Amino acid sequence: SYVLTQPPSVSVAPGKTARINCGGNNIGSKSVHWYQQKPGQAPVLVIYDDSDRPSGIPERFSGSNSGDTATLTISRVEAGDEADYYCQVWDSSSDHYVFGTGTKVTVL
Amino acid sequence: QVQLAQSGAEVKKSGASVKVSCKASGYTFTRNYIHWVRQAPGQGLEWMGIIEPSGGSTTYARKFQGRVTMTRDVSTSTLYMELSSLRSDDTAVYYCARGLGRPYSSNAWFDPWGQGTLVTVSS
Repeated sequence: SYVLTQPPSVSVAPGKTARINCGGNNIGSKSVHWYQQKPGQAPVLVIYDDSDRPSGIPERFSGSNSGDTATLTISRVEAGDEADYYCQVWDSSSDHYVFGTGTKVTVL
Repeated sequence: QVQLAQSGAEVKKSGASVKVSCKASGYTFTRNYIHWVRQAPGQGLEWMGIIEPSGGSTTYARKFQGRVTMTRDVSTSTLYMELSSLRSDDTAVYYCARGLGRPYSSNAWFDPWGQGTLVTVSS
């Protein structure tokens, strides 16, 4: 089955840029979607189709996808961005939806 | 606004079954697929399956086939997920989520999610 690998944690100072990678075999050929999950809450969609933002999501959130790595970028990080982030794709070989292992973003 | 309201927490014995409900509102119920995703304590997200609310067709993740049943009641805009033969490692928060984009394709994502239902399985 298709595996998506994310770093367990990323630390960033307020006002700086956080980059969260999501690695998968030829992931650039797929559309990647990203979710933010704060403690005790349900996940929230922050990026869909690699780089599109749902309404209500700040422009500070952006995405890219190429080769074997997709990236979620959070610019001008704020304390409220502290959360777990998950990438997600559709695996056509198994007809399964797959989530990444998740990355905990800590704002220093 | 679009909302998915789930049923309350459950405590079950090993070997029992649990049925979680998810009531949809704020959009045309039959227009979007619904997914079920679970999250064990301190762990990541795990996709369980999908149901098409209009006709009721389902696709289950291989891991849960034979143990999970997803159904819907169009008259009340409510979806159900039943998991049988519960084990301790089924202890998790279970979420329903609306599917957007094109189902069974790369262009498919989840938005919004229900608030989650904690299912605790004890021996």
